[in-house]
Amino acid sequence: EDQVTQSPEALRLQEGESSSLNCSYTVSGLRGLFWYRQDPGKGPEFLFTLYSAGEEKEKERLKATLTKKESFLHITAPKPEDSATYLCAVLIPQGGSEKLVFGKGTKLTVNP
Amino acid sequence: DTEVTQTPKHLVMGMTNKKSLKCEQHMGHRAMYWYKQKAKKPPELMFVYSYEKLSINESVPSRFSPECPNSSLLNLHLHALQPEDSALYLCASSQGSAGWAKNIQYFGAGTRLSVL
Repeated sequence: EDQVTQSPEALRLQEGESSSLNCSYTVSGLRGLFWYRQDPGKGPEFLFTLYSAGEEKEKERLKATLTKKESFLHITAPKPEDSATYLCAVLIPQGGSEKLVFGKGTKLTVNP
Repeated sequence: DTEVTQTPKHLVMGMTNKKSLKCEQHMGHRAMYWYKQKAKKPPELMFVYSYEKLSINESVPSRFSPECPNSSLLNLHLHALQPEDSALYLCASSQGSAGWAKNIQYFGAGTRLSVL
């Protein structure tokens, strides 16, 4: 069965305190791994997509990496505005189409 | 521009009502999706339309009826819903379906549905 597990469920950081979020996956036919940010009551906002082990993507204070079994989202010197739920998802084939399977997310709170 | 527009933003309906949710994108995307998201849970896929044809139905109850009138529009028709159907309903779109290497899904802001 295809599974996506994110840890920790919740993370509290002080402003400037760097850390990492983890996403481990067990899927057949991975076509891509995606990171989204979701603010309360809003739709997920696309951050990164990774397709092959060893790939890295960066955007401002965020850096995503991918291995054969997991992905990390590194947050460097976070600010309060980085507070959100971060969702990891894998793209897998189904029938003649594809679908995203999401992890449960990590709720990040950055205190000033 | 990666905008997916959903209307209405909020909807309250009784269990005997019929209502529709609408989703629109003008990015030329050929795949569109409906998701359901309960509080503190991740989005769960309901339906996928690829090139205006239904390609995935995740065993969704028939009280939810999707429709894709054209490549830019996606509707979700609601009838005889239950209180447990109250959730945030999200629409997403992407460039294509199977085999498209950069198949990034872009989400709308959602419709917050309350069933009384």
